[in-house]
Amino acid sequence: QVQLVESGGGVVQPGRSLRLSCAASGFRFSRSGMHWVRQAPGKGLEWVTFIVSGGRNQYYRESVKGRFTVSRDDSKDTIYLQMNNVRVEDTAVYYCARDGGHYELDWWGQGTLVIVSS
Amino acid sequence: QSVLTQPPSVSAAPGQTVTISCSGSSSNIGSNYVSWYQQLPGTAPKVLIYEDSQRPSGIPDRFFGVKSGTSATLGITGLQTGDEADYYCGTWDNTLSLGRAFGGGTKVTVL
Repeated sequence: QVQLVESGGGVVQPGRSLRLSCAASGFRFSRSGMHWVRQAPGKGLEWVTFIVSGGRNQYYRESVKGRFTVSRDDSKDTIYLQMNNVRVEDTAVYYCARDGGHYELDWWGQGTLVIVSS
Repeated sequence: QSVLTQPPSVSAAPGQTVTISCSGSSSNIGSNYVSWYQQLPGTAPKVLIYEDSQRPSGIPDRFFGVKSGTSATLGITGLQTGDEADYYCGTWDNTLSLGRAFGGGTKVTVL
């Protein structure tokens, strides 16, 4: 059974840093691209970043470029989202999701809440 | 402001059919596959449709997807109270740093 478990969320002050983790199990992690998607309270889904299998390429939405970095450790079946210089507008539930290979995100974690507040 | 436009809400009585539209452009829906996601209250999204019209295993055939040009539609037949949720369309957008785009979401209410 595919499982994705996010962790690392919490309350952080504007301008500070936070690192999220997503531990995967139940599938061949190294062969899968992985996404981070966020959802601000009461709002819709917003794609954040994608890392391909192998980790060579990463893609980011414009508003997080230069501040967020996605990485993966295939030996630990885990992806990370390093969030630097966070802003109030980064407040959201952050989901990791597997790229299903058919242009869809086929498995999602339960999410971890990040609150940026002074 | 999403590049994919969905109606904020739709509603229908149990047993009826609802459709949810997702309007985009040639840089997203017009040139890439569309997927649809259901998000029940307080839970993570779940994929209902991929590659415009394909259902993952376990998704009932009451859910269907179609695409024409730069628009896509999710349909739900035989509406049930358990279908009350938010629904999102998603696709790649060739102008967003090769990133994905989601619609703003549609709340389905079962009357």
